[in-house]
Amino acid sequence: EIVLTQSPATLSLSPGEGATLSCRASQSVSTYLAWYQQKPGQAPRLLIYDASNRATGIPARFSGSGSGTNFTLTISSLEPEDFAVYYCQQRSNWPPWTFGQGTKLEIK
Amino acid sequence: EVRLLESGGGLVQPGGSLRLSCAASGFTFNRYAMSWVRQAPGKGLEWVSGINSNGTNTYYGDSVKGRFTMSRDNSKNTVYLEMNSLRAEDTAVYYCAKSGRYYFDPWGQGTLVTVSS
Repeated sequence: EIVLTQSPATLSLSPGEGATLSCRASQSVSTYLAWYQQKPGQAPRLLIYDASNRATGIPARFSGSGSGTNFTLTISSLEPEDFAVYYCQQRSNWPPWTFGQGTKLEIK
Repeated sequence: EVRLLESGGGLVQPGGSLRLSCAASGFTFNRYAMSWVRQAPGKGLEWVSGINSNGTNTYYGDSVKGRFTMSRDNSKNTVYLEMNSLRAEDTAVYYCAKSGRYYFDPWGQGTLVTVSS
């Protein structure tokens, strides 16, 4: 089973700042990695798939990069609605499909 | 617009059973794999089960293997999750998700399952 480790666990930033979230895989997942955003009381939403492709309707301030075992989600300039929990997920080696433990992006 | 609507959650005693349903609309249902993903209170996401487009292959996480059964009825655009021998640790919000290319998009609003005496 591929283990995904996200860092940091919590990130405290202010609106307008840039955010960098990390996801590390226990073995290579090529570029078969996605990022999701989850707000309180809501279902997760797909942001990025195949490491760097934005899902439909996702603003351009969200970008993903990486391959192999190291991946990054970057939010260029934080909007108030971006403060949420973010999860990475791999589809390289399944089953199981696995998620990281999440990074909480909170307002400083 | 793609819509997924889960139902069937509720309170059940340890050792009991429950059947979840997920009704889909807005896409050609019989062309897509589907999955169930759960989230325990205050915790992260855990993939539970998946099924291919025609229902011939099912997949399960180790924590539910042998206790849960996923199925689908393409004539009703619905997937199901039959949950038996429920444990306290199965308490979670259960989401169904369209699983094209084995990413999860979109997700339903979720249904809460509480296992408690």
